[in-house]
Amino acid sequence: AQKITQTQPGMFVQEKEAVTLDCTYDTSDPSYGLFWYKQPSSGEMIFLIYQGSYDQQNATEGRYSLNFQKARKSANLVISASQLGDSAMYFCAMRDTGANSKLTFGKGITLSVRP
Amino acid sequence: GAGVSQSPSNKVTEKGKDVELRCDPISGHTALYWYRQSLGQGLEFLIYFQGNSAPDKSGLPSDRFSAERTGGSVSTLTIQRTQQEDSAVYLCASSVGQGVYKNIQYFGAGTRLSVL
Repeated sequence: AQKITQTQPGMFVQEKEAVTLDCTYDTSDPSYGLFWYKQPSSGEMIFLIYQGSYDQQNATEGRYSLNFQKARKSANLVISASQLGDSAMYFCAMRDTGANSKLTFGKGITLSVRP
Repeated sequence: GAGVSQSPSNKVTEKGKDVELRCDPISGHTALYWYRQSLGQGLEFLIYFQGNSAPDKSGLPSDRFSAERTGGSVSTLTIQRTQQEDSAVYLCASSVGQGVYKNIQYFGAGTRLSVL
């Protein structure tokens, strides 16, 4: 079975600094997809970034980048130049390679950006 | 609409009553998912619809839960005889469908269900 582990209970970062949110995963399937979502207090899950297991390069989307270390089964999210609006819950997820393509989520990490 | 729309945003009901939660996916998306987010269990998959195929109901926690998708678009999640442990945020997501690179799931804002 697939498993996503996010062990950081809460993170604090100063505005304009960079922060890394950790995610490790476990799967026996060679083909998989990894996602990061942001959930602000409004509740909506916002897609941030995707990394495919066969992608040769680490994914980047604006201020978000993914530090993908396949051998270590880690997919850490790096947020550069943090903004106050980045304060939210962040979820790492893996897509099931089965027929339903459902997402398996980690427990999430709370990020607070300090002015 | 531009995104996934869910209604109602909040629902308070009494134990034993039935509730219906609605999801309107992004136009053109063939895949639709329901998830449940609760404090104790985190985010859990409930059910998956893909086009006209039979839904994958493997995540439904009991037979009190059911869902349908009419015309390949709007979906309704029904919970019969609600229990207090059903209190959670119910999230709907849609995606372009299988066979597409990334196949990103886009979520609605959810329905917060409170069972008294």
